[in-house]
Amino acid sequence: EAQVTQNPRYLITVTGKKLTVTCSQNMNHEYMSWYRQDPGLGLRQIYYSMNVEVTDKGDVPEGYKVSRKEKRNFPLILESPSPNQTSLYFCASSFAGRRSGANVLTFGAGSRLTVL
Amino acid sequence: QKEVEQNSGPLSVPEGAIASLNCTYSDRVSQSFFWYRQYSGKSPELIMSIYSNGDKEDGRFTAQLNKASQYVSLLIRDSQPSDSATYLCAVNIGTDTGGFKTIFGAGTRLFVKA
Repeated sequence: EAQVTQNPRYLITVTGKKLTVTCSQNMNHEYMSWYRQDPGLGLRQIYYSMNVEVTDKGDVPEGYKVSRKEKRNFPLILESPSPNQTSLYFCASSFAGRRSGANVLTFGAGSRLTVL
Repeated sequence: QKEVEQNSGPLSVPEGAIASLNCTYSDRVSQSFFWYRQYSGKSPELIMSIYSNGDKEDGRFTAQLNKASQYVSLLIRDSQPSDSATYLCAVNIGTDTGGFKTIFGAGTRLFVKA
């Protein structure tokens, strides 16, 4: 089944304790992206990646890191989490370019993170 | 000005009516536009994509794009209670490095009353 898999789905942690949210897709998509969703603010892009070893900042990158060493994986790293990073996080992927269906995002199920 | 703007709603319509959802965007060179539906507690899923001016119909859904006015809309005909969700407008914006990023509006909450 074609899908984007995020882990963990739920996490409660404490300020300053490094954590990684993993994201993996099995559709051979070039493009991957991380979003956070907060009430009233919609989906805001954290980082995105056009392909392996190509990453760029979205609108709210502060406090986050990413890497794209393999095409299928795009982990989100919080080096020193703070309470304002409490949010619902979504990973998404798509084909890039001009082929049919390009740029249509497939989302993971979401990861709800609470930082105390 | 936000890159993609939507009325947050809520928009309430009776069952069987037409629901009209609107979105404006600021990037004049955007070429790809999308409507996603998100049920409470779930991830967004694609409803419609539209790439050229005019209307695109798929079942009860019609997307309308007007690039000159930087405006995209979604019409839902014969609205059903199961259409109650948040609808997210999304626009692809080109980047300086030759790639793109997908920017979302804050979403419009739709309630369809039985």
